Amino acid sequence: DTEVTQTPKHLVMGMTNKKSLKCEQHMGHRAMYWYKQKAKKPPELMFVYSYEKLSINESVPSRFSPECPNSSLLNLHLHALQPEDSALYLCASSQDPISGGPAQYFGPGTRLLVL
Amino acid sequence: AQRVTQPEKLLSVFKGAPVELKCNYSYSGSPELFWYVQYSRQRLQLLLRHISRESIKGFTADLNKGETSFHLKKPFAQEEDSAMYYCALSGNNNNDMRFGAGTRLTVKP
Repeated sequence: DTEVTQTPKHLVMGMTNKKSLKCEQHMGHRAMYWYKQKAKKPPELMFVYSYEKLSINESVPSRFSPECPNSSLLNLHLHALQPEDSALYLCASSQDPISGGPAQYFGPGTRLLVL
Repeated sequence: AQRVTQPEKLLSVFKGAPVELKCNYSYSGSPELFWYVQYSRQRLQLLLRHISRESIKGFTADLNKGETSFHLKKPFAQEEDSAMYYCALSGNNNNDMRFGAGTRLTVKP
């Protein structure tokens, strides 16, 4: 399996809902990432996990909560989101950054709409 | 701080013409530079990276440390090259990838 998969593809949620985005890869990559991409804008880094530990948090509001249960899975828990959080959420993975380099492989994204 | 600048939001060329997508960066250490491409309705995918020094789909990019540039070039553009292209930089800690604003390339028949 040489792809990063993300579920769901689309998500509509209210501002009081709790939902989770899921990302999975089976390429043996040890770094995983969450990005937010607004329309016609580049991806913005949110979180980085390296060897299942959170290594970068780009000052993301606490209503976004990442979780890395194991080296193949990455979740993003959502709670009390705002309409401006509507965007495409991308997951990516890369090899061990020391030996394998930082080239990232992206999933197709989850398109989130907050009402 | 690391920064990637793509000065052209839109670029349009005719099929068969040469194309160059510009990318400039600022970073105090030794960066690794990448080009990513996003075709319509497809996921963002790696096109090439400077350390590989390879040609993918006829595209090449050379890192010019003196000019802090990593321009993407192709001698003869094809219609299927129409896409959004992002230049990206990874810094010393190798986990922090920063993207430029992107250039939308349109290749006209």
